[in-house]
Amino acid sequence: AQKITQTQPGMFVQEKEAVTLDCTYDTSDPSYGLFWYKQPSSGEMIFLIYQGSYDQQNATEGRYSLNFQKARKSANLVISASQLGDSAMYFCAMREYGNQFYFGTGTSLTVIP
Amino acid sequence: GAGVSQSPSNKVTEKGKDVELRCDPISGHTALYWYRQSLGQGLEFLIYFQGNSAPDKSGLPSDRFSAERTGGSVSTLTIQRTQQEDSAVYLCASSLGLAGITDTQYFGPGTRLTVL
Repeated sequence: AQKITQTQPGMFVQEKEAVTLDCTYDTSDPSYGLFWYKQPSSGEMIFLIYQGSYDQQNATEGRYSLNFQKARKSANLVISASQLGDSAMYFCAMREYGNQFYFGTGTSLTVIP
Repeated sequence: GAGVSQSPSNKVTEKGKDVELRCDPISGHTALYWYRQSLGQGLEFLIYFQGNSAPDKSGLPSDRFSAERTGGSVSTLTIQRTQQEDSAVYLCASSLGLAGITDTQYFGPGTRLTVL
């Protein structure tokens, strides 16, 4: 079974609107971390936001927030007030305690002016 | 401070030749990861080094692939007898190596390998 599932290969959003990128995960470990990365066309992977399985509140970093629904095993990334520079691939990742990281297949986001 | 660096940034080689890709992690980071990303695809885990422990090689696709990490710092990924399907971007990442779940990876710019 896939550890991380991103079901949206491509998404479009109007500039200044909010967008939600979906991510579901699969683990039986009670202790895990969830990460989102951005990969612009230049290719570098940029860390955006982190959520721990024991965190009570949803993580936020500027315009990025993580909608963490533990019972549903989902960790959706919400980008508010989209900007043209947000156009990129977005990857969701998970790390179980002491183990390697697992990445999803990514979602391509295009911000329309 | 300096981020993860990788060299070369681009490598073009002929089928059957050996190549070496280098990764210099962030100073103080004890964990180092290699991934492969084919065009338009996600990240494929290759190998993971953590301190002095034996590396997790479970992602290496064949015995043509090997990696070493000297002195707990710089790592070299070697691909022997390259094949055209090895063409991809090879990404290196490092992290503090925390055993818990908060360990965050930081990536290098990648090496784009093209096998002709």
